[in-house]
Amino acid sequence: DIQMTQSPSSLSASVGDRVTITCRASQSISKFLNWYQQKPGKAPNLLTTSASSLQSGVPSRFSGRGSGTDFTLTISSLQPEDFATYYCQQSYTTPITFGQGTRLEIK
Amino acid sequence: EVQLLESGGGLLQPGGSLRLSCAASGFSFTSYDMGWVRQAPGKGLEWVSGISNSGVDTFYSDSVKGRFTISRDNSKNTLYLQMNSLTVEDTAVYYCAKDSPRSDGYFYFDNWGRGTLVTVSS
Repeated sequence: DIQMTQSPSSLSASVGDRVTITCRASQSISKFLNWYQQKPGKAPNLLTTSASSLQSGVPSRFSGRGSGTDFTLTISSLQPEDFATYYCQQSYTTPITFGQGTRLEIK
Repeated sequence: EVQLLESGGGLLQPGGSLRLSCAASGFSFTSYDMGWVRQAPGKGLEWVSGISNSGVDTFYSDSVKGRFTISRDNSKNTLYLQMNSLTVEDTAVYYCAKDSPRSDGYFYFDNWGRGTLVTVSS
């Protein structure tokens, strides 16, 4: 199985900050990397697909990059509604696997 | 508007069985692969199973293979997950999720239900 490792596991930041979350795959997954946002008590929400394609309706302050084994999700200027947990997910092969999550908290 | 409504969760003892259902509406159900993803209390997301739009191809995580069966009834726009030989490690919120339109790769999910809680405890 492909292991997905996110860093950091948690992050404290302020409104207006630029933050970057990293996701590393245990083997190459080409471009097949997706990012989700999850708020407490809610279902996940798909943010980006194929490493860098922003889903319709997702603010442009979110951006994804990477290929192969190393990927990033960047939020250019944090807004209050961005404080949540973020997960990466590989869709290169089954079993589908998620990263362990990165909890983004208000400083 | 896409809607996915899970049902069937509950409290049961180890070794028991349960069938989850997911009623889908607002999209052409027969055109999309579907899946189940679970989340144990306070933990991260874990993909459980996926099924092709026709129902012919099914996929499972190693942790549920041989115990869980995914199926769908396209005439009823409903997805199912039959869960047998349940253990305490299966305790989680189970989400039904719609696969995103894609030309390659495997499942990623652009719409999710609210989830149904399955608690396995003696």
